[in-house]
Amino acid sequence: AQKVTQAQTEISVVEKEDVTLDCVYETRDTTYYLFWYKQPPSGELVFLIRRNSFDEQNEISGRYSWNFQKSTSSFNFTITASQVVDSAVYFCALSEPFTGGGNKLTFGTGTQLKVEL
Amino acid sequence: NAGVTQTPKFQVLKTGQSMTLQCAQDMNHEYMSWYRQDPGMGLRLIHYSVGAGITDQGEVPNGYNVSRSTTEDFPLRLLSAAPSQTSVYFCASSYAISGDSPLHFGNGTRLTVT
Repeated sequence: AQKVTQAQTEISVVEKEDVTLDCVYETRDTTYYLFWYKQPPSGELVFLIRRNSFDEQNEISGRYSWNFQKSTSSFNFTITASQVVDSAVYFCALSEPFTGGGNKLTFGTGTQLKVEL
Repeated sequence: NAGVTQTPKFQVLKTGQSMTLQCAQDMNHEYMSWYRQDPGMGLRLIHYSVGAGITDQGEVPNGYNVSRSTTEDFPLRLLSAAPSQTSVYFCASSYAISGDSPLHFGNGTRLTVT
């Protein structure tokens, strides 16, 4: 069975600090997809990034960057120069295909990030 | 473009009552799904559909029914509500049934069963 572990339940930082959210996954599939979602206090879930198992290039989008390492089964998320608006719960997820089509996202339990002034 | 619309936003039920959570998407997505979110457990898949007329069970389907008569709508029915079904429910859709399509989520329905 697939599993996603986000060991950091809650992280508190002061604005402008860098912060890394850890994600470790388990899967037997050779082709899989990893995702990060953000859930701000308003409650909606916002897609941030997708990475497939064949693409280990790191990605940077503004203050956000992602480090994917198959060797350690990790897909970590770094926010540079954090801001109060980054305060949210962040979920890492792993896509598992169903035999008959469709897929299931296995979510980690989330990391609550609090950015304070 | 409304995306994924869920109604109602909040609902309180008594044990044994039934109700339907509505979900509609206007993106012509083939894949739709329902998740529930509980504290400390992330999101868990209840039911999903890969197209109109096709539904299947996810990880936690007991106590819930779904149907998919149109591409746009994917309602979730609670047959006889129980306190264990107190949760936040999210409907989600994606343009393809393959695993690489990101999910677009609705804003959620917060359900309390007393």
